[in-house]
Amino acid sequence: QKEVEQNSGPLSVPEGAIASLNCTYSDRGSQSFFWYRQYSGKSPELIMFIYSNGDKEDGRFTAQLNKASQYVSLLIRDSQPSDSATYLCAVNSNGGSQGNLIFGKGTKLSVKP
Amino acid sequence: EADIYQTPRYLVIGTGKKITLECSQTMGHDKMYWYQQDPGMELHLIHYSYGVNSTEKGDLSSESTVSRIRTEHFPLTLESARPSHTSQYLCASTKTGAYNSPLHFGNGTRLTVT
Repeated sequence: QKEVEQNSGPLSVPEGAIASLNCTYSDRGSQSFFWYRQYSGKSPELIMFIYSNGDKEDGRFTAQLNKASQYVSLLIRDSQPSDSATYLCAVNSNGGSQGNLIFGKGTKLSVKP
Repeated sequence: EADIYQTPRYLVIGTGKKITLECSQTMGHDKMYWYQQDPGMELHLIHYSYGVNSTEKGDLSSESTVSRIRTEHFPLTLESARPSHTSQYLCASTKTGAYNSPLHFGNGTRLTVT
């Protein structure tokens, strides 16, 4: 069974620090990797996606992918209290489309002022 | 800005009632999904559709049913609601084959069955 594992947290970091969120997946055929942010009581929203090994940066966010280790991470630089949310890792092994994503349970991040 | 709409946002009903949760999207997406999520818990896929007249059950067994008569519309129905159906229901959609087309979520319907 395909699985996506995340540390549920909570992960607590001080304002201005780097938050590091990690995710491992079991299906070696996985091709697309996504990070969603979900505020309490709200719907998930996409913040990053990555398809190739290496790093992808978007503002304060960096997604890192290592297919050999089946590992994907999200770094948040200069963390702000508004980053406090649950971050969901999602993996798709069908390539390209985000259909039938497998979601991790999410890591709850708390950024303390 | 959401182009996928769910109604109602909140619903409180009594046990045994039949309910339909509505989901519509204006993006022309072929794939649509229903997820169930309890507070603080993970997302569970309960139904999906790859196009008109296509519906499949997801990973989590659900007593609900869905239909896809039109591309833009993917309603979910509970024939007889029970307290165990109390949860948040999230509808989502995406376009097949587009690497940079994200999974769009609606705002969700929070259902309480008393």
